[in-house]
Amino acid sequence: DIQMTQSPSTLSASVGDRVTITCRASQSISSWLAWYQQKPGKAPKLLIYKASTLESGVPSRFSGSGSGTEFTLTISSLQPDDFATYYCQQYYSSPPTFGQGTKLEIK
Amino acid sequence: QLQLQESGPGLVKPSETLSLTCTVSGGSISSSSYYWGWIRQSPGKGLEWIGSIYHSGSTYYNPSLKSRVAISVDTAKNQFSLKLSSVTAADTAMYYCARTEYYFDVSGYTFDYWGLGTLVTVSS
Repeated sequence: DIQMTQSPSTLSASVGDRVTITCRASQSISSWLAWYQQKPGKAPKLLIYKASTLESGVPSRFSGSGSGTEFTLTISSLQPDDFATYYCQQYYSSPPTFGQGTKLEIK
Repeated sequence: QLQLQESGPGLVKPSETLSLTCTVSGGSISSSSYYWGWIRQSPGKGLEWIGSIYHSGSTYYNPSLKSRVAISVDTAKNQFSLKLSSVTAADTAMYYCARTEYYFDVSGYTFDYWGLGTLVTVSS
């Protein structure tokens, strides 16, 4: 299975900050990467697929980049609603696998 | 708006079979564009894909669970179901059903609509 590693595990930031979360794959996955947002007690929500394509309805302050083994999720200006846990997921090969998550906390 | 709802027992005894059903509303499970899947989440293992099914009945399972998993579909009821046999405490998790986008280029899946999840505890 392809291992997905996210960093940092926890990130403290303030409203208005620009933040970046990194996801690394144990082998090349081209651009077959998705990002999800999960809030406490809720299911994950698909934000980005194909590394950089925003899912319909996702605010433009979210962006994704990368290819191969290294990927980033950037939030350009944090809003109160963005404090959540973020997961990356590869779908280059089966089984699809997820990163361990990055918890974005209010500083 | 598409909605998915998991249902089933919240407590299962060790060695028994976990059975869950996902009811889809606001759309047809027979849509040619999508698969339907189960994902679980536990503090120890994080998010783990269990398997996915097409409305034709074709199934795809995580090799780590394949020997214990069966996913089936009932198009008449717009439902799909999960059975996980010989459960242990390690199978305690939040179980989600989700609509699955299948990428034929790489035989890969993303999950764009999720149910609210149901907590299943394995304990005697």
